[in-house]
Amino acid sequence: GQSLEQPSEVTAVEGAIVQINCTYQTSGFYGLSWYQQHDGGAPTFLSYNALDGLEETGRFSSFLSRSDSYGYLLLQELQMKDSASYFCAVRDNTDKLIFGTGTRLQVFP
Amino acid sequence: ETGVTQSPTHLIKTRGQQVTLRCSSQSGHNTVSWYQQALGQGPQFIFQYYREEENGRGNFPPRFSGLQFPNYSSELNVNALELDDSALYLCASSLEGVRSYEQYFGPGTRLTVT
Repeated sequence: GQSLEQPSEVTAVEGAIVQINCTYQTSGFYGLSWYQQHDGGAPTFLSYNALDGLEETGRFSSFLSRSDSYGYLLLQELQMKDSASYFCAVRDNTDKLIFGTGTRLQVFP
Repeated sequence: ETGVTQSPTHLIKTRGQQVTLRCSSQSGHNTVSWYQQALGQGPQFIFQYYREEENGRGNFPPRFSGLQFPNYSSELNVNALELDDSALYLCASSLEGVRSYEQYFGPGTRLTVT
């Protein structure tokens, strides 16, 4: 079977740093994506890792360790607008996206 | 550049009925994927179309079917609706190949089956 595990909820205060972990078990693996979804909105693409290591895009960074089937999304200098659900998604060997269950991030003032 | 659009926004149907949902892909994108998202869950892959052919399918029964048209717009059809089909249906367009991991989602259609 295929599964992606994420914490269900994370809370933090404005200006802080938060890390959202994702462990995966899939039949094939090309890479790990991260998507953000605000309540009532559509998922929007944040980042993608095909190779091990850290990818940085502004306040957001994403890390991948293929040997550990593990990745994380790091959000720095948190803002209220970062309150949303975050999904990791594996691009499998048939080029499809398999999404995790999502992590709800709540940022408090 | 035109984004992904979906219609209708909301829909209420009765168990046993049939429904058709529509999606217009982002300009230049030739691949469309459909997802079902239940409340509090991640999107579940239904199927993908590339150049008008089904190009992969998730664990959904045959009563879920689709079409992709030459202009890359797409339809999702669901027959014999069940209560559990109530969900947000998302379509996402992308380019095939290397950048297929970057999908552009539409706002979704909220389907309620009573």
